[in-house]
Amino acid sequence: GENVEQHPSTLSVQEGDSAVIKCTYSDSASNYFPWYKQELGKRPQLIIDIRSNVGEKKDQRIAVTLNKTAKHFSLHITETQPEDSAVYFCAAKALYSYNQGGKLIFGQGTELSVKP
Amino acid sequence: ETGVTQTPRHLVMGMTNKKSLKCEQHLGHNAMYWYKQSAKKPLELMFVYNFKEQTENNSVPSRFSPECPNSSHLFLHLHTLQPEDSALYLCASSQELEGGNGYTFGSGTRLTVV
Repeated sequence: GENVEQHPSTLSVQEGDSAVIKCTYSDSASNYFPWYKQELGKRPQLIIDIRSNVGEKKDQRIAVTLNKTAKHFSLHITETQPEDSAVYFCAAKALYSYNQGGKLIFGQGTELSVKP
Repeated sequence: ETGVTQTPRHLVMGMTNKKSLKCEQHLGHNAMYWYKQSAKKPLELMFVYNFKEQTENNSVPSRFSPECPNSSHLFLHLHTLQPEDSALYLCASSQELEGGNGYTFGSGTRLTVV
């Protein structure tokens, strides 16, 4: 079945450093790749996403890259701040047609800690 | 609130009880989902409803029974649960379209089975 692997499981960085989280997916039909941030006790929130027709997308301090050939994608956070501390989940989805609905398969999560 | 509301926020139930979780979305989305989130585990997809029709049942035990009476409401009926079913149950919705779209999650129901 579909599978998404995420690494590392924990990541600790100093404030101001960059953080990189990597994911690989197994279903070559996957065409949508969102990233979610979940703060302690709160719901997962979408922070950035990328579709399969794009190789890179950036939004201020966060960026996502996609390598379809290798079936992996990464989240990059630059100039990290203590408020970036949270669990980050990658996900992949294959959407075949709009009326079938697509299912998001999540990675295991990365607990990011940004030390001041 | 994000437009997806889950009730109750917390639930403690015995193994012989029957209870229901409720999810309501006010975003006009056409798909709704149940996910289970356990400690130290990824988000596990349980059920998918698209245009209020169930399109996915991810090998979930029959003690979990979903119901989707319309595109805005989703229920998860629980009966004879086990302690290992204790987890955070998250509802999500999305507007499905070609090319994919993100999910909006509710705040979840923290379930404890005693």
